[in-house]
Amino acid sequence: DGGITQSPKYLFRKEGQNVTLSCEQNLNHDAMYWYRQDPGQGLRLIYYSQIVNDFQKGDIAEGYSVSREKKESFPLTVTSAQKNPTAFYLCASSIQVQETQYFGPGTRLLVL
Amino acid sequence: SQQGEEDPQALSIQEGENATMNCSYKTSINNLQWYRQNSGRGLVHLILIRSNEREKHSGRLRVTLDTSKKSSSLLITASRAADTASYFCAPSRSGGGADGLTFGKGTHLIIQP
Repeated sequence: DGGITQSPKYLFRKEGQNVTLSCEQNLNHDAMYWYRQDPGQGLRLIYYSQIVNDFQKGDIAEGYSVSREKKESFPLTVTSAQKNPTAFYLCASSIQVQETQYFGPGTRLLVL
Repeated sequence: SQQGEEDPQALSIQEGENATMNCSYKTSINNLQWYRQNSGRGLVHLILIRSNEREKHSGRLRVTLDTSKKSSSLLITASRAADTASYFCAPSRSGGGADGLTFGKGTHLIIQP
């Protein structure tokens, strides 16, 4: 069953804590993306990766970090430097950049 | 990255009516994509139209693209309650831009039964 998965569905973070959101795809896509969505807003690009072992900052990368050690995986770490992390986080992948993106179901991050 | 701007921000129509939403953007594009998002879910790709295309159909969806006006429209015909969702356009910048698509705030469509 091909697709893109994210886990967990809900994540709670304490002050000063780093948390990692998982994103996995078995679509054999080269490009992967992380977006942040705030209530009633559009998506803002955090990081993207065109190919394994490469990634680039998006529009709001501060306070976040990523890695792309495997083609199918693109985890996002929300660090303690991100002062307002409460949001809905969406991961996506595409065959290559600028082509159709396939989205995961999202992870909702809440701060305790 | 460039952002598409959807208009109107919200639209409420009766079931069976047609719904039209518009998208404007600022720079030259390779393609423009439309996505749908149901509340609390990920986005679902609807249709991609390339810069050399003027119109594209997919089921009850019709997308037009006017590159001279830097605008696109999405028409949903014979709307159904299940079409209630937010709709986003995502222009993909030309010139070899390697960044992701940038999404506007979307049009929130409500279909009244």
